[in-house]
Amino acid sequence: EDKVVQSPLSLVVHEGDTVTLNCSYEVTNFRSLLWYKQEKKAPTFLFMLTSSGIEKKSGRLSSILDKKELSSILNITATQTGDSAIYLCAVHGSGNTGKLIFGQGTTLQVKP
Amino acid sequence: EAGVTQFPSHSVIEKGQTVTLRCDPISGHDNLYWYRRVMGKEIKFLLHFVKESKQDESGMPNNRFLAERTGGTYSTLKVQPAELEDSGVYFCASSPDRWSYTFGSGTRLTIV
Repeated sequence: EDKVVQSPLSLVVHEGDTVTLNCSYEVTNFRSLLWYKQEKKAPTFLFMLTSSGIEKKSGRLSSILDKKELSSILNITATQTGDSAIYLCAVHGSGNTGKLIFGQGTTLQVKP
Repeated sequence: EAGVTQFPSHSVIEKGQTVTLRCDPISGHDNLYWYRRVMGKEIKFLLHFVKESKQDESGMPNNRFLAERTGGTYSTLKVQPAELEDSGVYFCASSPDRWSYTFGSGTRLTIV
């Protein structure tokens, strides 16, 4: 059965800290891994990582896919209170339907 | 471009009643997905439409849940009769290609 596990489940840091969120997966026929940020409403897309695109960066956020270890990390440098959110990792499941398998999410709280 | 719209945003109903959730996808997106997050668990896939056809409904929990997408535009998800364990946040997402999603803000459903 396809599975995604995130760690830690929650994290509290202070502004300016650097955080690393982890995601590991077991899925048949891996296609892509996605990171989302969820504040109060809809999950918003951050990154998609594939076998041909294993590293992405946008501002203070970056993500790397480790195909050998079947895992990914999401790094946030110089955290701000606005980074407080649930960070979701998901992989496209087996088959061709585009179905996503989600991890439990990491709740990040950034204190001033 | 208008996003994915879901309503109501919140619904509180009594056990045994019927509730209908609605999702309006981004215009032109043939793929529409329903997901659910119950308290303390990960977001889980419910089903996938391509236009008006159900492509994959393997995640539907039982026959109290009925999803429709008449005309391939908006979709409804009806729960009848609602049970306490149906409480959670129901997300809809649409995609033009099955791989890049836009999520709606979700409907928070509480069964009392």
